[in-house]
Amino acid sequence: LAKTTQPISMDSYEGQEVNITCSHNNIATNDYITWYQQFPSQGPRFIIQGYKTKVTNEVASLFIPADRKSSTLSLPRVSLSDTAVYYCLVRGGYNKLIFGAGTRLAVHP
Amino acid sequence: DTAVSQTPKYLVTQMGNDKSIKCEQNLGHDTMYWYKQDSKKFLKIMFSYNNKELIINETVPNRFSPKSPDKAHLNLHINSLELGDSAVYFCASSPAQGGETQYFGPGTRLLVL
Repeated sequence: LAKTTQPISMDSYEGQEVNITCSHNNIATNDYITWYQQFPSQGPRFIIQGYKTKVTNEVASLFIPADRKSSTLSLPRVSLSDTAVYYCLVRGGYNKLIFGAGTRLAVHP
Repeated sequence: DTAVSQTPKYLVTQMGNDKSIKCEQNLGHDTMYWYKQDSKKFLKIMFSYNNKELIINETVPNRFSPKSPDKAHLNLHINSLELGDSAVYFCASSPAQGGETQYFGPGTRLLVL
C-alpha cells in the first residue's frame, strides 16, 4: 500500500506562501494524490486533487513532478484561518483512504 | 443545509453501555464511511458501505456494528463500550466507490468513563 510522508509541523506568517511537500515513493500508476484540510473540532475537508503536473483551484495549487513520487501543496498568502492540519493521501487500496499524521500548519500574525 | 450530519455531537457514557451514532447525507452519494480519530489525531477508516452493502470492514471489534437502512444513512452501533473506544467518530460520503473526494461530517466526540 502506498504510504505518504510529510513534515509533522510548519510555521508561517500571514501573507506568506506556504509549500507543504509530501513523499509517496510507492504510488501506484492509477493513484491520484489528494489533499485534505482539518480544522480543530471539524471533519477533514477536501482541498485539491491531482494526477500529474499542476492543478490549481480557488484554494490552493498542487505541483506533481513527472515521477509522481512527491507532491507539493501550495497555499498562497496564508491567513490565520489557514491554521489547520493538512493531509496528503494516496489511495490505500480499493475504496480506502489512508490518512497519515498530517502536517500541522500554524500561521502567526 | 448540512451535507453530512451526525448525531449526537457529544456522547459521554459509562463502560459497558451500548450506544448508537447516526449519520445522514443529503448529497445523493452512493458510498458512506465511518472513521475513528483517536487522541493522537490519527484518522482510520472503520467501515465503508456502497448502496447499503458493506464494502470495507477494517479490523474493528465486532462490538461495532454499522447499519445502513438506505443509501443516505449509515448508523454505527457500539456494544459494551470500553475506555479505548473514546475518540472522535467521523462519518463521510463520496459519489463513488473508491472515491478520494469524500465529504466528512462534523464528528461525534465519544467519551467512555
